[in-house]
Amino acid sequence: EDQVTQSPEALRLQEGESSSLNCSYTVSGLRGLFWYRQDPGKGPEFLFTLYSAGEEKEKERLKATLTKKESFLHITAPKPEDSATYLCAVTTSGSARQLTFGSGTQLTVLP
Amino acid sequence: DGGITQSPKYLFRKEGQNVTLSCEQNLNHDAMYWYRQDPGQGLRLIYYSQIVNDFQKGDIAEGYSVSREKKESFPLTVTSAQKNPTAFYLCASRGTDSNQPQHFGDGTRLSIL
Repeated sequence: EDQVTQSPEALRLQEGESSSLNCSYTVSGLRGLFWYRQDPGKGPEFLFTLYSAGEEKEKERLKATLTKKESFLHITAPKPEDSATYLCAVTTSGSARQLTFGSGTQLTVLP
Repeated sequence: DGGITQSPKYLFRKEGQNVTLSCEQNLNHDAMYWYRQDPGQGLRLIYYSQIVNDFQKGDIAEGYSVSREKKESFPLTVTSAQKNPTAFYLCASRGTDSNQPQHFGDGTRLSIL
């Protein structure tokens, strides 16, 4: 069974304090790993897709990386507006049409 | 602007009642999905549809039903058989290529009266 585990469950940072969120996966045949941002009471907003180990994507203060076992979402010099829940999800060879989600990391950035 | 519209934003269900959640998209996407999100948990797949007039059960389909009569619309009915329906329901759509990301609406929060 495909499994996606995110850690930590919650993270509090001071503004400007860089850190990383982890998404580890146990799947057979990774096709793609997706990062989303979700604000309270809203639907997830797409951030990045990663397809192969060694791949990196960047957007403003966010950088996503991928290895054969896990993905990291690095947040550099975060601001309070980066506060949200960050979700990761995977598609696999066995279920290319479906996303399997982790339970998310709730990030709070304090001013 | 292209996007996914879910309605209503809040919905209340009485015991024994069926309720229907609406999902409409104008992205011209073939695939559409329904997820359930409970506090502190990830999204769980209820039903999905790859094409009009066809749909498949996801991991937690019991107590739910769907239809796909039009490409733009994928309504979800929460039946009285669903004993714990209180949750945040999210609809998503995706283009033809399975490597494309799914895009989400802003959800419907369903509560029991």
